[in-house]
Amino acid sequence: DARVTQTPRHKVTEMGQEVTMRCQPILGHNTVFWYRQTMMQGLELLAYFRNRAPLDDSGMPKDRFSAEMPDATLATLKIQPSEPRDSAVYFCASAPTVNTEAFFGQGTRLTVV
Amino acid sequence: AQSVTQLGSHVSVSEGALVLLRCNYSSSVPPYLFWYVQYPNQGLQLLLKYTSAATLVKGINGFEAEFKKSETSFHLTKPSAHMSDAAEYFCAVTTRGSTLGRLYFGRGTQLTVWP
Repeated sequence: DARVTQTPRHKVTEMGQEVTMRCQPILGHNTVFWYRQTMMQGLELLAYFRNRAPLDDSGMPKDRFSAEMPDATLATLKIQPSEPRDSAVYFCASAPTVNTEAFFGQGTRLTVV
Repeated sequence: AQSVTQLGSHVSVSEGALVLLRCNYSSSVPPYLFWYVQYPNQGLQLLLKYTSAATLVKGINGFEAEFKKSETSFHLTKPSAHMSDAAEYFCAVTTRGSTLGRLYFGRGTQLTVWP
C-alpha cells in the first residue's frame, strides 16, 4: 500500500529548540510538497521540490525554516529556532510528476511551548 | 492569482439528506479544481478533480461536482449523506500549466451528519 510517510506524527518542543520533520514520499514520485495547516491561515504551501531540486520556497520563512531532499526517499523540514507561532500541522505530499495530483501524508502535529 | 472561497465553514445534514458544499474560485487563467476530504487526525484525500474534460465530475464515495464557468463555481454534492461522510472538505485550485500539487486551498467546510 503506497503512502507518504511522515515522522514524527506528534512533536512537542520548547521555544528556541530545533525541530526536524521527515517525509518519505511514495516510491517513484519525483515531486514533493510541504504544506502547513493552521486555524488562522488554513492550508498553505511552504515549499516544493522536483527531482530533489527546490522549485518554490516562497511560502517559507527563510530566517528559520529550511527544506531539503538529501535523497529521493527523504524530504526534511527544519525549524531553527522554533517559536510558538510555528505550532501547526505540517503535511508532506508527493506526486509522480508535476502534472499529476499529489498524495498527502498524515501530517506532523507540532506544538511549540 | 488564484483563490478559492468556501461558503459556510460548517454544514449539518441528516443522514440520507442531500449534501451541498459550496466553492467559488477566482483565477485569471483557466483553472484546475479539486475537492479533498480530511478525516480527524488524517491527511487529505482526493475526492475528485476537474481538469478541463467533462464539467460534471464524479468522485469517490458517491460525491460529484460540477464546474460552472459562468458562475465561477465548483460545488460538491452527494445525493444521500452517510454518517461516514462527516469530515472536513477542502476545495482547491491551481491553473493549467502549473504543477498540479501546487494548490491554493479554501478554508474548509466541516460537514456534520446527524443520525
